[in-house]
Amino acid sequence: EIVLTQSPGTLSLSPGERATLSCRAGQSVSSTFLAWYQHKPGQAPRLLIYGASNRATGIPDRFSGSGSGTDFTLTISRLEPEDFAVYYCQLYGTSWTFGQGTKVEIK
Amino acid sequence: QVQLQESGPGLVKPSQTLSLTCTVSGGSISNDSFYWTWIRQPAGKGLEWIGRIYTSGSTNYNPSLKSRVTISVDTSKNQFSLNLSSVTAADTAVYYCARVSITILGYGMDVWGQGTTVTVSS
Repeated sequence: EIVLTQSPGTLSLSPGERATLSCRAGQSVSSTFLAWYQHKPGQAPRLLIYGASNRATGIPDRFSGSGSGTDFTLTISRLEPEDFAVYYCQLYGTSWTFGQGTKVEIK
Repeated sequence: QVQLQESGPGLVKPSQTLSLTCTVSGGSISNDSFYWTWIRQPAGKGLEWIGRIYTSGSTNYNPSLKSRVTISVDTSKNQFSLNLSSVTAADTAVYYCARVSITILGYGMDVWGQGTTVTVSS
């Protein structure tokens, strides 16, 4: 089973700042099978990025994904108030798995 | 617009079987462009993938839960279900069902149920 490690655990930023979230896989994976989600308390998670770099329907272009092999990144170019949440990367491998999450909080 | 809705008991006794159903509306569960999956989140913890099923009935489970999990599909009712046996307090969580869209560009859980809280307690 491939482990996904997200960093940092918590990111303290102000609205308007850039957020860079990292997701590292324990071994090289196909970018086709890497997705990112946003999760707010009391709500269902929301798909942001699939195939490592493709924005899901309705996702603003301030969200972008990149990476390949073992290292993947989610970037939020300018944080809006509604972007403060927990973000998870997820892998569709032999067994599907989530990273442990990165909390983006207001500084 | 496709919608998913979880249903089932909110309270289960230790050692018993947790059973949840996800009803799909606005689309067919038999569409071969999708997997159907269960995820859970214990309070204060992250998301945990439980397992998934394809319309053909083929399944894949989280290795850590595999001995206790069964996911099935009922195409006539447009539903899929989760059974988790021998539950303990550690299985207390919010349980989500979701649709996994399969495309040439990648996979993604693009439609989610609202989630249902299941508490394991005597």
